[in-house]
Amino acid sequence: SQQGEEDPQALSIQEGENATMNCSYKTSINNLQWYRQNSGRGLVHLILIRSNEREKHSGRLRVTLDTSKKSSSLLITASRAADTASYFCATDGVSDAGNMLTFGGGTRLMVKP
Amino acid sequence: DVKVTQSSRYLVKRTGEKVFLECVQDMDHENMFWYRQDPGLGLRLIYFSYDVKMKEKGDIPEGYSVSREKKERFSLILESASTNQTSMYLCASSFGALLQETQYFGPGTRLLVL
Repeated sequence: SQQGEEDPQALSIQEGENATMNCSYKTSINNLQWYRQNSGRGLVHLILIRSNEREKHSGRLRVTLDTSKKSSSLLITASRAADTASYFCATDGVSDAGNMLTFGGGTRLMVKP
Repeated sequence: DVKVTQSSRYLVKRTGEKVFLECVQDMDHENMFWYRQDPGLGLRLIYFSYDVKMKEKGDIPEGYSVSREKKERFSLILESASTNQTSMYLCASSFGALLQETQYFGPGTRLLVL
């Protein structure tokens, strides 16, 4: 079962624009992570935000977390064609296997040059 | 940098064959994971291991088994491959006692079962 759900499922923007992706989850969490996946490749960890944090930055990435709404957003500023990828949120809610990292279905981002 | 490698990028097997997918990590991580990724279904956890010779079932273990004889190596075994096991298989590893910390992924193995 998926704990996190990304929105939108797909996003297409022009180079230089900002891209915002959202993640909603169902149960309480200790941390929320964002990962990136280039086509046909493995996932790469981008950023982790803990439940007592509200905002975190890493380069052109900005992540916010609202635990009252059980949601997070990932903002990529000044997007580049190389940002084209799928982006996944992952939460540490309880799954059938216990307290594991559970991934959402992802947002496919296309940045047009 | 953490490096997680998988034995094959692409694999084609026939129904009923025994299939081995190997994963190796070089950072002395305690935890290793096998996922499969299918369109519309996201990543689903098959098995994980938190120590040598230890293994735990994930959300979809049916039809799979695993082996962890050495800390750096985690193998996924399809005892008798079926067409519904055609998928992208991703291995990951993580450090420490908590299973929900940052995971480092391999490049994936795309398996086609005919």
